Amino acid sequence: QVQLVQSEAEVKKPGASVKVSCEASGYAFSGYYIHWVRQAPGQGLEWMGWMHPNSGGTRYAQRFQGRVTMTRDTSINTAYMELTRLTSDDTAVFYCARALCSDAGCYLFDIWGQGTLVTVSS
Amino acid sequence: DIQLTQSPSFLSASVGDRVTITCRASQGISSYLAWYQQKPGKAPKLLISAASTLQSGVPSRFSGSGSGTEFTLTISSLQPEDFATYYCQQLNSYPFGGGTKVEIK
Repeated sequence: QVQLVQSEAEVKKPGASVKVSCEASGYAFSGYYIHWVRQAPGQGLEWMGWMHPNSGGTRYAQRFQGRVTMTRDTSINTAYMELTRLTSDDTAVFYCARALCSDAGCYLFDIWGQGTLVTVSS
Repeated sequence: DIQLTQSPSFLSASVGDRVTITCRASQGISSYLAWYQQKPGKAPKLLISAASTLQSGVPSRFSGSGSGTEFTLTISSLQPEDFATYYCQQLNSYPFGGGTKVEIK
């Protein structure tokens, strides 16, 4: 079946970096945008950016510019999101999501990964 | 940037109640709106796209309506499995609404 499987939870120290993976299966990985969404404990959904697996093109939310990098390895159908210079405010669950395109754009998230908890603590 | 404002942010309801959640956009977005359901500890699930198109497998007690700047998600008869947080999202950009938590009265 169509699914996205993310890497396991991580604990990082302030100032460190984290790289979360998102493995796609059951569909043509290169054909769909992958977006990343952050959710802090008890908070709402915050869009971080997208990556297109075919071209490797990216677009990042302004608040993460300079700290986030989204990449992919098409040989293993896997997308990655790396966030640097972590602070306690980055403690959150990070989700990857596949996006469908419409006339409006490519922001309809029909398949989500299970989420990866990143805890930033000294 | 277009902002989405959901109301209420929290509601308490009983099984069998009719529930309506509103999402207002700061500018017109035609019908480019989706609704998601999120249960604790789980990823969001897509319920409705294009303001009113029910996704496959979503119960018919869920419905969406609206266009332009005002949209609604209605649950016609609330079931125990519907207690969750609901988010709206515009489809021509990224912002999500702030969410509406539906709890058991």
